[in-house]
Amino acid sequence: DTAVSQTPKYLVTQMGNDKSIKCEQNLGHDTMYWYKQDSKKFLKIMFSYNNKELIINETVPNRFSPKSPDKAHLNLHINSLELGDSAVYFCASSQGLSNQPQHFGDGTRLSIL
Amino acid sequence: AQSVTQPDIHITVSEGASLELRCNYSYGATPYLFWYVQSPGQGLQLLLKYFSGDTLVQGIKGFEAEFKRSQSSFNLRKPSVHWSDAAEYFCAVGALNAGNMLTFGGGTRLMVKP
Repeated sequence: DTAVSQTPKYLVTQMGNDKSIKCEQNLGHDTMYWYKQDSKKFLKIMFSYNNKELIINETVPNRFSPKSPDKAHLNLHINSLELGDSAVYFCASSQGLSNQPQHFGDGTRLSIL
Repeated sequence: AQSVTQPDIHITVSEGASLELRCNYSYGATPYLFWYVQSPGQGLQLLLKYFSGDTLVQGIKGFEAEFKRSQSSFNLRKPSVHWSDAAEYFCAVGALNAGNMLTFGGGTRLMVKP
């Protein structure tokens, strides 16, 4: 039973295209996150949703648009992909906005040609 | 704003030797701290966490970490390393007043010699 699952695992596409990454968690958590890990393994928060409401929106280009249809899902849509978007994107979830640990998916490796 | 520094980018130890991975944080209030491990092609797995109370916390896979407020440190230790411990290790600090946002250190890659 996968706790936090992301699809697809790999995504190879061309510059200028639009793509989506899906994330689902079956832990019953009410808070979900997107992180970006660059080629140097540096991890940075992008977005956080609590009960489908946007809580954190770091300095991310508006080409990135998260959507949370329900508490168990947080999808990431990216418009007009650029070379610099190449990275591994991780979805995570936790219970509440307190100090509960976050559980991570296995990541989606996005490669822009 | 909070920040985390992991001074060692790479560490190589022999199997069976002891291990200490360093982590220093900067945060204006009482932090809550985590160590995660990432194996190649995998997501991050939680090793242990510190919120309050006993400053020595035990985690999974035989790891422990000690919170030292005076040194702003949260170093990870293991008395005897196994080859399967080779991975990337991340220290993170959480911010209660920022939507539970985690700020990660740059990671330390651990290599284990047979």
